[in-house]
Parts: sequence; C-alpha cells; structure tokens
Amino acid sequence: SQTIHQWPATLVQPVGSPLSLECTVEGTSNPNLYWYRQAAGRGLQLLFYSVGIGQISSEVPQNLSASRPQDRQFILSSKKLLLSDSGFYLCAHRSGGDEKLFFGSGTQLSVL
Amino acid sequence: QKEVEQNSGPLSVPEGAIASLNCTYSDRGSQSFFWYRQYSGKSPELIMSIYSNGDKEDGRFTAQLNKASQYVSLLIRDSQPSDSATYLCAVNAGGTSYGKLTFGQGTILTVHP
Repeated sequence: SQTIHQWPATLVQPVGSPLSLECTVEGTSNPNLYWYRQAAGRGLQLLFYSVGIGQISSEVPQNLSASRPQDRQFILSSKKLLLSDSGFYLCAHRSGGDEKLFFGSGTQLSVL
Repeated sequence: QKEVEQNSGPLSVPEGAIASLNCTYSDRGSQSFFWYRQYSGKSPELIMSIYSNGDKEDGRFTAQLNKASQYVSLLIRDSQPSDSATYLCAVNAGGTSYGKLTFGQGTILTVHP
C-alpha cells in the first residue's frame, strides 16, 4: 500500500528565517505530488504540483518554492519566511490513473 | 476562476439523524468529485468519490451527483458524534488538469448526543 510521510508535524520559525519541509511517498512509482496550504479558517489552496523529477508547476505567486530531486521526494522551501506564510502545509499524492488524492499528516507552521 | 462553494455551517444534527451536506461547482467540465473529512488539526481523509450522475453508497455515506445542476451532496445516515468534523468538497476538472483538486471552504458538522 502507498504511504506518504511528511515532517515535521509542527514548526515555529521567526520571520526572515529559511524553511524546508520534506515529503516522501512509499509503495508507488512516478506519483503526481502536490503541496497545499490551509490558512486558519480558510480552504485548501494548491501551491505547487509535480508530475516528475525536476518538473514543478507553481499555482500562485508567493514567497515559496518547491523541488523534486527524486521520484518520491517533494520539498517545499523558502529563503525568508513572512508572517503570511503561517498555515497548515499538506503534501499529497496521486498515482497511476486513479483520480483520488491522498494527503500526508501535514505540518503546522507558525511564523512569529 | 473555477469555484467550489459549500455552506460553511456549522450544521448541527442529533445523533442518529441524517446529515446532508451540499456543494456546488462552477466548472461545467468537471469530471471527478470527492468528499473529504477533516478533524481539527488533522489532514483531510478521503471518504467518498463519485464520477457519474446518480447516487453512490458506501456504508453510512451516500454521495449524490447532478452534473446538469452542477451540485454534489453527501448524506450521512445514523450520524454519530464521531462524525463531527469539517467536510470538504473537492472537484477535479479532468483532462490535462494533472489531478489538481479545487476545494470548497468546508462545512463544519456537529453531531450532538
């Protein structure tokens, strides 16, 4: 079965500090990978998606970037965090022809 | 802009009752529809998927899709306090959308004993 790992579970960072969140998927190959953000009291917003190694598409202009150095690894980064980057960050995957999207456990990021 | 609309609630139902959650979407080309359950502080969990018009039942859950009217609903029978959560409707346009889902804001459901 497919498993998606995401860490850390919670993170408190000062404004202006860098960020690196990692997501890995097990039990599948060549998955589509996604980064979503859920701000407090708001819906899920798609930030980035990737259909393969080195292939990143950005959905919204922002202070964040994403990379996919390996088939089953997806990384979300920032050089300098802003207060507005606070939120619940979720990695998700979709595999094969299945339309279903499955989420990792998420990272609650607080920028202070 | 593709939109998915849900009543934010909160929707409060007594234990054992039927909870009815509704969702409308703007993109008439949408092909796939999903319901996720999200407990506070946790990630969304897929509970139902539906792709064609009509009803789809899975245990106490029934998803209903009407593409002509552009709405999808979720019925929860015999509601339990453990069903209290935020329910997210999600829509996939299909085609070359690469599996990207557009989510509604979610409906908060409270089931009281």
